[in-house]
Amino acid sequence: EAQVTQNPRYLITVTGKKLTVTCSQNMNHEYMSWYRQDPGLGLRQIYYSMNVEVTDKGDVPEGYKVSRKEKRNFPLILESPSPNQTSLYFCASSRSSYNSPLHFGNGTRLTVT
Amino acid sequence: AQTVTQSQPEMSVQEAETVTLSCTYDTSESDYYLFWYKQPPSRQMILVIRQEAYKQQNATENRFSVNFQKAAKSFSLKISDSQLGDAAMYFCAYTNYGGSQGNLIFGKGTKLSVKP
Repeated sequence: EAQVTQNPRYLITVTGKKLTVTCSQNMNHEYMSWYRQDPGLGLRQIYYSMNVEVTDKGDVPEGYKVSRKEKRNFPLILESPSPNQTSLYFCASSRSSYNSPLHFGNGTRLTVT
Repeated sequence: AQTVTQSQPEMSVQEAETVTLSCTYDTSESDYYLFWYKQPPSRQMILVIRQEAYKQQNATENRFSVNFQKAAKSFSLKISDSQLGDAAMYFCAYTNYGGSQGNLIFGKGTKLSVKP
């Protein structure tokens, strides 16, 4: 089954404790992206990747890191999480960046206390 | 910079009736794509419909159709014969054609309630 898999689905952590949210897709998509969703703000792009070893900042990249060492994986790293990073995070992938619909993961609800 | 505006934070419709969700966008590009995504309580993001800007014909997917007005930069979603399962957050989204490296821009969303 074609899918984007995010883990974990829920995560509660404390300020400053490094964490990684994993994202993997099995559709051989070139394009992958991370979004955060906050009430009243919709979805905002954090980082995206056009292909292996090619990443770029979205609208809200501060406090996040990403890497794309393999085509299928695109982890999101929070080196020192803060409470303002409490949010719902989505990973997405597509065949190309503009004319193919995004396939979304099921989301990761992150709480930073 | 491109922006997407959904002016209705919440909408309500009676089951079996029709509802229209509004979306406007701002861009200087002539080629782009527009999307409507649905997010039910399960959190899953589901593509409802998409429209290429160069196509004059409005996209339709079963009970879902759009009214695309390129000159007015308007992209509304019409849901006909509303069903209880249509209750969800709906997001309008925009992306350039071959442009700014694929930044899909979302509106803030409209929460749709369906009354039985």
